[in-house]
Amino acid sequence: DGGITQSPKYLFRKEGQNVTLSCEQNLNHDAMYWYRQDPGQGLRLIYYSQIVNDFQKGDIAEGYSVSREKKESFPLTVTSAQKNPTAFYLCASSISYGTHEQYFGPGTRLTVT
Amino acid sequence: GENVEQHPSTLSVQEGDSAVIKCTYSDSASNYFPWYKQELGKGPQLIIDIRSNVGEKKDQRIAVTLNKTAKHFSLHITETQPEDSAVYFCAASLPSGGSYIPTFGRGTSLIVHP
Repeated sequence: DGGITQSPKYLFRKEGQNVTLSCEQNLNHDAMYWYRQDPGQGLRLIYYSQIVNDFQKGDIAEGYSVSREKKESFPLTVTSAQKNPTAFYLCASSISYGTHEQYFGPGTRLTVT
Repeated sequence: GENVEQHPSTLSVQEGDSAVIKCTYSDSASNYFPWYKQELGKGPQLIIDIRSNVGEKKDQRIAVTLNKTAKHFSLHITETQPEDSAVYFCAASLPSGGSYIPTFGRGTSLIVHP
């Protein structure tokens, strides 16, 4: 089956620790995205990557970092500099740069205490 | 940048009734308007979309209308069923340097009572 996988589904961390969220796709999509979802806030763009070895900041990139070393993978690191990291994180992909339709993964719920 | 407003935030209907969710956008250059359905604990899934050269699009019980002059678009669900209960997001996609990153509304929680 083709699709986007995110792991783990639930993640717990202590304040001050960095944590990396996994996102993998086997759709052969060039573009990948990370969103943060908070109650009543919709989806806010953290980072996106149009192609391997390239990525751009979204609207709320502060405290986050990404890498895109492989086409299939776009991991997101939530650093200790992110002031309010507890949220639901969604990864998405689209066929190519300039393509509209996005396909979303199932999400990772991160809780930092 | 683009700004998308979505209303209502919560919509409660009886099974069989129609449901309408409305969105407005700010930038007239936006040219793609998708609607996503998100079930509890899952990622959003595209249910219907419309491009700026079309005024209306239907897919079975779901339809979307677009008014470019007024800069608003709406999702219509007819003959609602309990499985339609979910959070629905609208988005507007603004072409910027060749990229089409959408701006999302805040979501509407639709509850369909049996």
